[in-house]
Amino acid sequence: GAVVSQHPSRVICKSGTSVKIECRSLDFQATTMFWYRQFPKQSLMLMATSNEGSKATYEQGVEKDKFLINHASLTLSTLTVTSAHPEDSSFYICSAKRDNQMNTEAFFGQGTRLTVV
Amino acid sequence: AQSVSQHNHHVILSEAASLELGCNYSYGGTVNLFWYVQYPGQHLQLLLKYFSGDPLVKGIKGFEAEFIKSKFSFNLRKPSVQWSDTAEYFCAVNPSTLGRLYFGRGTQLTVWP
Repeated sequence: GAVVSQHPSRVICKSGTSVKIECRSLDFQATTMFWYRQFPKQSLMLMATSNEGSKATYEQGVEKDKFLINHASLTLSTLTVTSAHPEDSSFYICSAKRDNQMNTEAFFGQGTRLTVV
Repeated sequence: AQSVSQHNHHVILSEAASLELGCNYSYGGTVNLFWYVQYPGQHLQLLLKYFSGDPLVKGIKGFEAEFIKSKFSFNLRKPSVQWSDTAEYFCAVNPSTLGRLYFGRGTQLTVWP
């Protein structure tokens, strides 16, 4: 399968600062990338869908000014958590697809554990 | 509300026992269905998927799943589990013409040797 890499795998930041998480498709071009958030003992919740070169589509209830998503190239999408607060502490996972069709497999990054202190 | 339900949150089995993990969804229309597995410390990996055709789908490592449209279910099965199957299993549904996946909350499987 294709490889998707997230960086960093763990990050601790102070409340009020911003943190950027990168998601890279290493061996394929990802037209579409997805960002998920996972709380302990809970499901992966889709936050937003980003298509290369266009604005991200956010799910209902996700603050677009809080979670900035940039998908500037076919191999890189970034999620920036702005003015982070302790309640933003979570596990963030990205996935990437070659296209946005139903039948195309999504490949997942290893996730980023964000802790806001 | 539309959802993906996994009824078993934590399943504990001995090696060689049979496994069935339930997954139900509430989306109407055409859906694609997936089971993902996450081994400790590793990425989510695709175990198997259903797009169309034979509702009994075979995946990697001896897993299979059956799509029952009338029951909105896609249960995962394995006749004889191994210690190495210890992992978290996620059911996921793609309910639209777009590529979004919606996940169940996951089932932690622990297999005792």
